[in-house]
Amino acid sequence: QKEVEQDPGPLSVPEGAIVSLNCTYSNSAFQYFMWYRQYSRKGPELLMYTYSSGNKEDGRFTAQVDKSSKYISLFIRDSQPSDSATYLCAMSAFLSGNQFYFGTGTSLTVIP
Amino acid sequence: ETGVTQSPTHLIKTRGQQVTLRCSSQSGHNTVSWYQQALGQGPQFIFQYYREEENGRGNFPPRFSGLQFPNYSSELNVNALELDDSALYLCASSWASGSSPTDTQYFGPGTRLTVL
Repeated sequence: QKEVEQDPGPLSVPEGAIVSLNCTYSNSAFQYFMWYRQYSRKGPELLMYTYSSGNKEDGRFTAQVDKSSKYISLFIRDSQPSDSATYLCAMSAFLSGNQFYFGTGTSLTVIP
Repeated sequence: ETGVTQSPTHLIKTRGQQVTLRCSSQSGHNTVSWYQQALGQGPQFIFQYYREEENGRGNFPPRFSGLQFPNYSSELNVNALELDDSALYLCASSWASGSSPTDTQYFGPGTRLTVL
């Protein structure tokens, strides 16, 4: 079983839709949860970073962590064509001196 | 504030050759992590350097090695290249104090390595 599971998609939505992206994980020691956006042939760009369970909102983006279910989500409101990219979840037990475990990424296309 | 930079952008090598990839960390960061991202996959952790010493390693063979310099820049060296080494190699920098959790990792644009 992989440490982190993520549906690769692809996901295609109309402009203005609400997008839900999800990851599940198996390691209960994970405490730090990140979402990265990656455009084609570019490096990942940090979108959201949360610690432990709960919600975090930043503009059109909301990250949710449910440690009891080992499940994290990223919601994108009022999706835009510029949101078209691959979204990677990542998580770590400790940020210091430890590795990040990534999902395979979900490919999202927002259609104008 | 200068972001993470990597060189070269693209590289083509043949099987059995050796390659060196370079990374300059973001200003103020002292920790560098290297990842391999195969096409259609998420990044896989290779290793991390903190204060010029290896500080964690993923499931990669010893022919993958690295260095971190006093200015916190870093190199990834791969010996005896294999076809499966073809991938995007990503460098990520962060700040660590050694006694408390770091800020998160910020990635460079990557070096795309093709092994023929």
